[in-house]
Amino acid sequence: RKEVEQDPGPFNVPEGATVAFNCTYSNSASQSFFWYRQDCRKEPKLLMSVYSSGNEDGRFTAQLNRASQYISLLIRDSKLSDSATYLCVVRYSSASKIIFGSGTRLSIRP
Amino acid sequence: DGGITQSPKYLFRKEGQNVTLSCEQNLNHDAMYWYRQDPGQGLRLIYYSQIVNDFQKGDIAEGYSVSREKKESFPLTVTSAQKNPTAFYLCASSIGDRGRYNEQFFGPGTRLTVL
Repeated sequence: RKEVEQDPGPFNVPEGATVAFNCTYSNSASQSFFWYRQDCRKEPKLLMSVYSSGNEDGRFTAQLNRASQYISLLIRDSKLSDSATYLCVVRYSSASKIIFGSGTRLSIRP
Repeated sequence: DGGITQSPKYLFRKEGQNVTLSCEQNLNHDAMYWYRQDPGQGLRLIYYSQIVNDFQKGDIAEGYSVSREKKESFPLTVTSAQKNPTAFYLCASSIGDRGRYNEQFFGPGTRLTVL
């Protein structure tokens, strides 16, 4: 079993829809959680950190469920420009132990 | 502007040659990382450095070497011992353990192709 697992997708949704992805992690010692966005053939860019109480940034909402060991990303009112691969990232207590999920592909259609 | 730069953007190498990828940051970050990404896969850690003159192997260090002589610079050498070097190489930096969340910020990447 992978340490960090994501549904690879692709998720194909119409513009304006709400879409959500989950990411599960296997190690309960995980300390910090992030969502990154990666466009085709580009570097990953930090979308948002995931706080214990959940957090929102505009149309994006991230949640953490430590009991079930997953994080989620919700995108409301999706735009064509949201089309990308979304990477889930989990960090353990040491700076070195950072695990990237393989990503979930999202495609927004007009 | 603060950021991370990598060069070159595209690199072609003949089999049996060593090649060095550059990574520079002016964010005053302590920690720097090298990752490799293959098509359709996540990032895999090659080497990381939490402080100048110190670095540690990641999950796939075989066939690679690094140095960290300056805080700003963390070059990666892909040696001829690396069996499948064709990949997208990403350098990242973070504030290190001084930061609560320790987010990583990435350079634009180098796409290496072995001919």
